[in-house]
Amino acid sequence: GAVVSQHPSWVICKSGTSVKIECRSLDFQATTMFWYRQFPKQSLMLMATSNEGSKATYEQGVEKDKFLINHASLTLSTLTVTSAHPEDSSFYICSAQRQGKRDTQYFGPGTRLTVL
Amino acid sequence: GESVGLHLPTLSVQEGDNSIINCAYSNSASDYFIWYKQESGKGPQFIIDIRSNMDKRQGQRVTVLLNKTVKHLSLQIAATQPGDSAVYFCAENMASGTYKYIFGTGTRLKVLA
Repeated sequence: GAVVSQHPSWVICKSGTSVKIECRSLDFQATTMFWYRQFPKQSLMLMATSNEGSKATYEQGVEKDKFLINHASLTLSTLTVTSAHPEDSSFYICSAQRQGKRDTQYFGPGTRLTVL
Repeated sequence: GESVGLHLPTLSVQEGDNSIINCAYSNSASDYFIWYKQESGKGPQFIIDIRSNMDKRQGQRVTVLLNKTVKHLSLQIAATQPGDSAVYFCAENMASGTYKYIFGTGTRLKVLA
C-alpha cells in the first residue's frame, strides 16, 4: 500500500508554455502533499506544502505565481509551471502524507521537465 | 574511499564489504529520521527510519545509528551488493506543525566488483 504516482513521467516543452504535473495517492487519502525540486547531482529541495482544500505554503525563494499548486481532493495535487524557461528544467518529485500518519511521506517516481 | 565530488560526495566500496554512509542533521528538535535510496531518474525509496528516542535500529542488511549529542546519523549496509549502488539521502522530520522533511546533501555509493 501507500503508492504515489506522478504524471507525466517526463515532459519536454517550449519556452513560454505552461506545464502541469499531477501527483496522485493511489490507495490512500492524503491530507498533505509536498512538492520537491531536484537538480542533477543535488539533493531534494522542498518547494511547497499543499493541503487539501487550502492554499499551498511555499518555501522561501519559491515564486508562487510561477509554480501554481492545487490540491483539490484528498488524492490529487497538481503543480503547474507557468511560462516555463530553460532554468525551470529539473526533476520534480511529490510526496504524500496519509491521514493519521503525519510523520511519514510516500514519494512519487518523479517527473523530468525539460524546457527548450 | 570517500571523496567529495562536484556536488555529491562519493563512497566507493568493494562488493561484499560493509558500507557506512554518514549524515549531519541540522535541527536538534527533529524527532524522526529517515534514510532514502535514490536510483538515477527515480524517486526516493524508503530504506529505514529511526525516532529520536532510539539510538540504533536494524533492518535487513541495514542499520541506522543516531547520535543526538552531535546531531549525526549513519547508515550501515552489510555485505554491499552491486544493486546497492545509488545515491543515499538522510532526511529529518522538523517536528513542526507541517511535518516537513529536510534532506541532507546525499552520498553516492559506488560498489566495485
